[in-house]
Amino acid sequence: GQNIDQPTEMTATEGAIVQINCTYQTSGFNGLFWYQQHAGEAPTFLSYNVLDGLEEKGRFSSFLSRSKGYSYLLLKELQMKDSASYLCAGGAGNMLTFGGGTRLMVKP
Amino acid sequence: ETGVTQTPRHLVMGMTNKKSLKCEQHLGHNAMYWYKQSAKKPLELMFVYNFKEQTENNSVPSRFSPECPNSSHLFLHLHTLQPEDSALYLCASSQEGRGGYNEQFFGPGTRLTVL
Repeated sequence: GQNIDQPTEMTATEGAIVQINCTYQTSGFNGLFWYQQHAGEAPTFLSYNVLDGLEEKGRFSSFLSRSKGYSYLLLKELQMKDSASYLCAGGAGNMLTFGGGTRLMVKP
Repeated sequence: ETGVTQTPRHLVMGMTNKKSLKCEQHLGHNAMYWYKQSAKKPLELMFVYNFKEQTENNSVPSRFSPECPNSSHLFLHLHTLQPEDSALYLCASSQEGRGGYNEQFFGPGTRLTVL
């Protein structure tokens, strides 16, 4: 199966670094996506990992360990606008299975 | 219009009504999707269309009926819904078959309330 688990909520301070973890049990799974979703808006793509290791894209980085069924999204230099839900999703072909999302609240 | 658009943005319907949700993608993609997002639950894939052919029905009740007349348009026909069907319905599209990863682009969703 494809059970994907991530924390429900996290709080962090503006300017800090936060790591959002995602664990999964999967078979036939070829990559791991991260999406950002602001309240009342559509999810937007942040990153994709297919190989083990770290992918860096500006203030956001994503890490994948396929052997451990583990990924994280790292957000640096947090800004107030980063307050949103962050969705972890496993991909098999063009089928995505999403975790419940982590609601991140950034405080001044 | 750019990206993925959905209409209506909000819909309130009774359990005996029939209504349709519309999605249009302006990205030239060849795959389209319907997702359901309920409070406190993960985003759930409902239907997948590749090149206008339905390739996935994720055990969705028959009161939800999708239609894909061409690669740019996707409909979700609703009839005799239940209050538990109240949710945000999201449409997405992607370009499949070119290798690598295929990012899905989401529309803003239709907020459906069933009374």
